[in-house]
Amino acid sequence: QVQLVQSGAEVKKPGASVKVSCKASGYTFTSYYMHWVRQAPGQGLEWMGIINPSGGSTSYAQKFQGRVTMTRDTSTSTVYMELSSLRSEDTAVYYCARGRSSSSWWDYWGQGTLVTVSS
Amino acid sequence: QSVLTQPPSVSGAPGQRVTISCTGSSSNIGAGYDVHWYQQLPGTAPKLLIYGNSNRPSGVPDRFSGSKSGTSASLAISGLQAEDEADYYCQSYDSSLSGSGVFGGGTKLTVL
Repeated sequence: QVQLVQSGAEVKKPGASVKVSCKASGYTFTSYYMHWVRQAPGQGLEWMGIINPSGGSTSYAQKFQGRVTMTRDTSTSTVYMELSSLRSEDTAVYYCARGRSSSSWWDYWGQGTLVTVSS
Repeated sequence: QSVLTQPPSVSGAPGQRVTISCTGSSSNIGAGYDVHWYQQLPGTAPKLLIYGNSNRPSGVPDRFSGSKSGTSASLAISGLQAEDEADYYCQSYDSSLSGSGVFGGGTKLTVL
């Protein structure tokens, strides 16, 4: 069965970076795009960007340009999302979600990773 | 401010029917891009509820239905049950933004 398993919760200080992983299983890793979405406490969903695991191409939301980097490791079927220059407003649950394309629906989601930014 | 607009909250009694609207613009829903809906129960990841405007994934009850017209879409839930109490989000694609998925702000459904 399809599973997306994310890394555990992180606590970071302002200015630091965080790298969240999302390990895929149960399907052909390179056949689906992976999106990253975040949700601040009590807030809605916010799209951060997308990576094509097949070639590694990425596209990021303008808000995160210059601060986010998405990569993949095809040998372990894992995608990564690194966010730098963290500030308190980046405290959120970060999700990976699988989609057939940049405009398709997202049928499987990771369980979420809580990133807390606090001094 | 979300690109797609949803009402913050809706409510209904058990057994009733409620609808949740999702309004976009000419660069997303109005441009012909599909709308998808997700249900998020407290403390859990979102779950795909409706895809491609009106299609239900396997396992989603037929009490849930979706439609799209012009620059808007709607999610209807009939025969409300207590377990339907959750947050609901619409999602589409916007051609004016870099490669992106766009969301509505979410609607909290309360079953009275």
